[in-house]
Amino acid sequence: SQQGEEDPQALSIQEGENATMNCSYKTSINNLQWYRQNSGRGLVHLILIRSNEREKHSGRLRVTLDTSKKSSSLLITASRAADTASYFCASIQGAQKLVFGQGTRLTINP
Amino acid sequence: EAGVVQSPRYKIIEKKQPVAFWCNPISGHNTLYWYLQNLGQGPELLIRYENEEAVDDSQLPKDRFSAERLKGVDSTLKIQPAELGDSAVYLCASSRRTGGDETQYFGPGTRLLVL
Repeated sequence: SQQGEEDPQALSIQEGENATMNCSYKTSINNLQWYRQNSGRGLVHLILIRSNEREKHSGRLRVTLDTSKKSSSLLITASRAADTASYFCASIQGAQKLVFGQGTRLTINP
Repeated sequence: EAGVVQSPRYKIIEKKQPVAFWCNPISGHNTLYWYLQNLGQGPELLIRYENEEAVDDSQLPKDRFSAERLKGVDSTLKIQPAELGDSAVYLCASSRRTGGDETQYFGPGTRLLVL
């Protein structure tokens, strides 16, 4: 069963614009993680935010977490063609099980 | 550092045939995971190993799926017999140990097509 729901399911923007993806989850979490998956490649871990954190930055990535709303967002600033990928949020539940959402397909147009 | 290695990358078989996938985790990683990813969906955990012990196989369809991790290093996932609905990408991942903050490193996956 999927834990998170990403919104939007697909997003297409121009290179240089910012991209925002949202994730909602259902149960209490220890942390929330974001992964990227390029076409034909495996998932790559981008960033982890703990349940007691509200915001975290890594390069052009900014992640926020609102545990009261059970939601998180991933912001990619100054997007590049290489950012074209699917982005998944994932959370650890109970016995160390990582549960993924359905993902957002991001397309960066040159 | 070498990443997680999976083989084969692609496999096409006819239904009712057996198939096996192999995974070699990152050296020193004690925890190994197998995930199933259907088209347009996120990965779903099939089984998790800590060393050679399967500690979470609740999502593994045991009537046709089996897995092993002999000597606590590489692992094999088998399907016998395969069904049309098994067409998907099978991802292997590893982490140093099990823990909420541990990063999982994923292999490129095996894309299975059952005809």
